[in-house]
Amino acid sequence: DAKTTQPPSMDCAEGRAANLPCNHSTISGNEYVYWYRQIHSQGPQYIIHGLKNNETNEMASLIITEDRKSSTLILPHATLRDTAVYYCIVSSASGGSYIPTFGRGTSLIVHP
Amino acid sequence: DTGVSQDPRHKITKRGQNVTFRCDPISEHNRLYWYRQTLGQGPEFLTYFQNEAQLEKSRLLSDRFSAERPKGSFSTLEIQRTEQGDSAMYLCASSPTLTLMNTEAFFGQGTRLTVV
Repeated sequence: DAKTTQPPSMDCAEGRAANLPCNHSTISGNEYVYWYRQIHSQGPQYIIHGLKNNETNEMASLIITEDRKSSTLILPHATLRDTAVYYCIVSSASGGSYIPTFGRGTSLIVHP
Repeated sequence: DTGVSQDPRHKITKRGQNVTFRCDPISEHNRLYWYRQTLGQGPEFLTYFQNEAQLEKSRLLSDRFSAERPKGSFSTLEIQRTEQGDSAMYLCASSPTLTLMNTEAFFGQGTRLTVV
């Protein structure tokens, strides 16, 4: 069962920031938030993950609310190549089974 | 290319035939996952291996499906007596041994199966 809720679709103008929200109100203390994206006809690609602090890498930024019940993935300057389905995943990383479990994600369309 | 490799990329088979897919994970990745994805859906977990041990299987993995990872390196997924409902993209992913700082999974390009 997916533990996250995402809007089914969003659109964004090229060059603008894309802010993709995710609700994970049942997240527990040792569970991480992961984001992947899947460009058409390719396998999913890891973007970023975090526990409670905000994270940034060369692809995106991840903002996690203080209560950890929601997060936002930010693509600071979206390009046409960022058009993809974006998946928000919550998974435990402390022993046991870490199995990325995908919902339906958010289909992001970046337009010129 | 040192990513996850899947073979074949496309497979068309007649209903009732058996098919086998191969996945070569990233070298030294201990964990290997198989997923299935149909149009408009996210990837659905099928099974995963820690080295050569198959540790978990989804209810989606019927008795017609079998996966192996005999030497803890490459893996095969076999579907016996294929049905039209088996038509999907089959994705393989690998990840290194679980650590707090390094738990992302790396996916291959998938094998697209069409059962006619």
